[in-house]
Amino acid sequence: ETGVTQTPRHLVMGMTNKKSLKCEQHLGHNAMYWYKQSAKKPLELMFVYSLEERVENNSVPSRFSPECPNSSHLFLHLHTLQPEDSALYLCASSQSPAFGQGYNEKLFFGSGTQLSVL
Amino acid sequence: AQTVTQSQPEMSVQEAETVTLSCTYDTSESDYYLFWYKQPPSRQMILVIRQEAYKQQNATENRFSVNFQKAAKSFSLKISDSQLGDAAMYFCAYRRYNNNDMRFGAGTRLTVKP
Repeated sequence: ETGVTQTPRHLVMGMTNKKSLKCEQHLGHNAMYWYKQSAKKPLELMFVYSLEERVENNSVPSRFSPECPNSSHLFLHLHTLQPEDSALYLCASSQSPAFGQGYNEKLFFGSGTQLSVL
Repeated sequence: AQTVTQSQPEMSVQEAETVTLSCTYDTSESDYYLFWYKQPPSRQMILVIRQEAYKQQNATENRFSVNFQKAAKSFSLKISDSQLGDAAMYFCAYRRYNNNDMRFGAGTRLTVKP
């Protein structure tokens, strides 16, 4: 039991499809994150939610749309993706608030969704 | 902008021996945190060790220790008595004080030979 569960584990979609990635954390954390992991590149932070409010959006294309209905669930809605969007998408959670606390709390990660866009 | 550089895409170590993974970072901040994460084939990132920049003492966690050189902006990971289960991708990460944006390096793939 990892504490952070991501589904699906693998996803293949065409460029015209609409799909959603799901993340659920069972750790009682109040912040959740989406990261993109491409081969041989550093992880890229896409979105941060704290207390269900989006607090960071690192210039991610609008074809990626996050949703955080409550502190335990995080979604990433995908539409009209490009082949270069193929990557491993990792969800993470932490106890630290988004701003102002300076905590060094670690991130707890899920096992990711391996996305292939054809 | 803060960047994290891992100059070793791949490393190899014999079982029971010691290996050091390199990491450098670029920042103008004085307060920050540094982390090493491990990503095994299961893909889940697991925290190995962390270091607060204001602490001079190097962090240790069992067989894992770091060599933190603040002036040089260097944060290397030493794995002693390497085990087969240590084989994984290792990522160095930086997080500025009061900020959620954790910056990662590109990773080092560690192979452990029996």
